[in-house]
Amino acid sequence: KQEVTQIPAALSVPEGENLVLNCSFTDSAIYNLQWFRQDPGKGLTSLLLIQSSQREQTSGRLNASLDKSSGRSTLYIAASQPGDSATYLCASYRGATNKLIFGTGTLLAVQP
Amino acid sequence: GAVVSQHPSRVICKSGTSVKIECRSLDFQATTMFWYRQFPKKSLMLMATSNEGSKATYEQGVEKDKFLINHASLTLSTLTVTSAHPEDSSFYICSASGLAGANTGELFFGEGSRLTVL
Repeated sequence: KQEVTQIPAALSVPEGENLVLNCSFTDSAIYNLQWFRQDPGKGLTSLLLIQSSQREQTSGRLNASLDKSSGRSTLYIAASQPGDSATYLCASYRGATNKLIFGTGTLLAVQP
Repeated sequence: GAVVSQHPSRVICKSGTSVKIECRSLDFQATTMFWYRQFPKKSLMLMATSNEGSKATYEQGVEKDKFLINHASLTLSTLTVTSAHPEDSSFYICSASGLAGANTGELFFGEGSRLTVL
């Protein structure tokens, strides 16, 4: 059974700092992996999708990597801003389906 | 990206009543929709998968008679919480995949619906 864990559970950084969020999964035979952002009381915003054949994806200040052999994915946020404050969730796709198994989330606070 | 809309965003009801939540794909046809539940400060848990025109598939531990799911068209799925009780209070989120995401495997999520049962 796939389990997805995120470390740290919470993170507070000063504005401008580069940071890394970690996601680990127990079953290396994942299909795709997706990173989301969730603002308080809101739904999910997709940030980056890494397909199983890919090793990383980049969008603006965000870079996500995927290492299936070690069961890890990282989300790198460059030059963090207060507007980046949110909960970040990673999720692996269950096999070749569109069923997502979500991680526990990292609550990020960027201090101005 | 594609847009998925949920309605209502917030609903408060009395214990014993039923509540319907709608999930619509606005600019694509969603062949499959998923319903998730999120408890406070917890992650999302998949409740069920609905395919247009067929019965929903429920995850283990989810009561299908309590959470009725209908996916009658390619743009609409509904979740009805029947005879709601305070323990059903939660944040419900739907997601959709279909022609828009078929080539990437990407899912698109609604804004969520906050249910509070008094």
